[in-house]
Amino acid sequence: ETGVTQTPRHLVMGMTNKKSLKCEQHLGHNAMYWYKQSAKKPLELMFVYNFKEQTENNSVPSRFSPECPNSSHLFLHLHTLQPEDSALYLCASSQGGAGVDEKLFFGSGTQLSVL
Amino acid sequence: SQKIEQNSEALNIQEGKTATLTCNYTNYSPAYLQWYRQDPGRGPVFLLLIRENEKEKRKERLKVTFDTTLKQSLFHITASQPADSATYLCALDLGGGFKTIFGAGTRLFVKA
Repeated sequence: ETGVTQTPRHLVMGMTNKKSLKCEQHLGHNAMYWYKQSAKKPLELMFVYNFKEQTENNSVPSRFSPECPNSSHLFLHLHTLQPEDSALYLCASSQGGAGVDEKLFFGSGTQLSVL
Repeated sequence: SQKIEQNSEALNIQEGKTATLTCNYTNYSPAYLQWYRQDPGRGPVFLLLIRENEKEKRKERLKVTFDTTLKQSLFHITASQPADSATYLCALDLGGGFKTIFGAGTRLFVKA
């Protein structure tokens, strides 16, 4: 195990539903990330938090709303999603701080299907 | 904009041979470059990090080179095994911390 746990592993939702993805890290890291991975495409950086402060929002639509209550937990709240949002959503953590040598530790991801 | 290119075609090699994967990048000079392994349905796993002032890095059967003039990194797996079959991702730091971008990855198949 990588020390980063994501739940649920799989999620099917309709376009009018509201759901949340959860991520928890047990590594003592201070930075946490959300990435989106669609089939045959590179990982897309969505959001970054360092010491609970959002440092990156990569032009993500407002139907995705992140929340970082502390350095160990990260949520991604979903509402009124589109079918093209179906993808593997990956959470990662890194040491944080000065942002040097940020090796990423990933969870297993949530496979999301939007119907 | 920054761009990372990895060979999108799968690489098929025989067990025991050396696998060599390529990562090329444009429009940026990263302070360091990373390689990750990803298995189907799982998150990527960190393998190696090499800094801009390092030419080569080794870890067990893995070797990474970094040529900042060519803007290229090569990733080698020596004495490859079927268990090495996976997708290998190249990642660059865009600077300012916490902005790591990934290539699309190269799928490696090692046949017994």
